[in-house]
Amino acid sequence: DIQMTQSPSSLSASVGDRVTITCRASQSISSYLNWYQQKPGKAPKLLIYAAFSLQSGVPSRFSGSGSGTDFTLTISSLQPEDFATYYCHQSHTTPQTFGPGTKVDIK
Amino acid sequence: QVQLQESGPGLVKPSETLSLTCSVSGGSVNIIDNYWNWIRQPPGKGLEWIGYVSYRGSPNYNPSLKSRVTISLDMSKNQFSLKLTSVTAADTAVYYCARGIAVTEHYFHSWGQGTLVTVSS
Repeated sequence: DIQMTQSPSSLSASVGDRVTITCRASQSISSYLNWYQQKPGKAPKLLIYAAFSLQSGVPSRFSGSGSGTDFTLTISSLQPEDFATYYCHQSHTTPQTFGPGTKVDIK
Repeated sequence: QVQLQESGPGLVKPSETLSLTCSVSGGSVNIIDNYWNWIRQPPGKGLEWIGYVSYRGSPNYNPSLKSRVTISLDMSKNQFSLKLTSVTAADTAVYYCARGIAVTEHYFHSWGQGTLVTVSS
């Protein structure tokens, strides 16, 4: 299985901060990397697909980059509604796997 | 806009079979390049992909669960279903159904709200 790691596992930030989350795959996954946001008690929501493509309706403050094994999710200016857990997901190889998540909370 | 809704028992006894259905509205399950997935999340933990059934009805499972899982498509009812046999407490989780899109990119486009299944006697 391809192992996905994320760093940091959690972070505290303030509204307006620039936030960067890193995801690393145990082997190359090309650009088959997606990002999801999950709020407590809710289903995950697609933010970014194919490493850098912004899902329709997602604010442009979210962006993704990377290819191969190293990827980042950036929130350019954190908003109150962005406090949540973020997961990366590789769809390159079966079984599809997720990172352990990064929890973003209020500083 | 395609919407998904899980249904099924919230409590299953150990060694029995967990059965869930995902009803799809706002679109057909027979859409080319769509894959209908089950994903689970134990309480307080991360996400695990269980498997999918394609728009053609072909399944693909997580090898860690393959011996116990069946995912099938019912085009007449616009639904797909999950069966997980011989459950234990480790199968207690919120179960999500999700619409996967696989053209060149592959991703989970939309999700059901999730349903908690507890395995307990």
